Amino acid sequence: AQSVTQLDSQVPVFEEAPVELRCNYSSSVSVYLFWYVQYPNQGLQLLLKYLSGSTLVKGINGFEAEFNKSQTSFHLRKPSVHISDTAEYFCAVSPSGYSTLTFGKGTMLLVSP
Amino acid sequence: DAMVIQNPRYQVTQFGKPVTLSCSQTLNHNVMYWYQQKSSQAPKLLFHYYDKDFNNEADTPDNFQSRRPNTSFCFLDIRSPGLGDAAMYLCATSRAGGQETQYFGPGTRLLVL
Repeated sequence: AQSVTQLDSQVPVFEEAPVELRCNYSSSVSVYLFWYVQYPNQGLQLLLKYLSGSTLVKGINGFEAEFNKSQTSFHLRKPSVHISDTAEYFCAVSPSGYSTLTFGKGTMLLVSP
Repeated sequence: DAMVIQNPRYQVTQFGKPVTLSCSQTLNHNVMYWYQQKSSQAPKLLFHYYDKDFNNEADTPDNFQSRRPNTSFCFLDIRSPGLGDAAMYLCATSRAGGQETQYFGPGTRLLVL
């Protein structure tokens, strides 16, 4: 079985500041790693995913994430946030070969002027 | 635009009165998923279809059923809604395989009176 831990339930940050949202996972098998974003009253949208290869993954809206196998982490970063980045961010894992996702509890990113 | 559509966006039902939520997709994906998302929580997978093959999660209550009459449509039936079933219900689709991106609809918010 897989599990995902997002330690921060909320991250407040000022506009144009950098941000890091933390994600740790545990799994007994190889997994693929994902970050999804959910804006208020909307479905989830893929930001980026790690499948293999380079551990630094770039996604949409200027986000990137780094896969660290030894620390079983997949932290999400953005060098300069905008008000429009205010949303809930979910880290998720999928076992290799299977289609299902296990989500973390989410981190609410609150960007203020 | 290819997309995942959920109707209605908001559904109000009475305690114990059966309700059906619908999902359709124009992506021609062979996997369709139903998630339950309660306030400030991660989406929880209820079940998924791999083509016509139904896969129920072990902890999904019997009160929740699903139908997939064809590739494009999938329904979530709640036979006797309880107050605890009030939630956002998200439909998603993907191609088969753990590396594939899931595409989410906007969700149906269910209120049980």
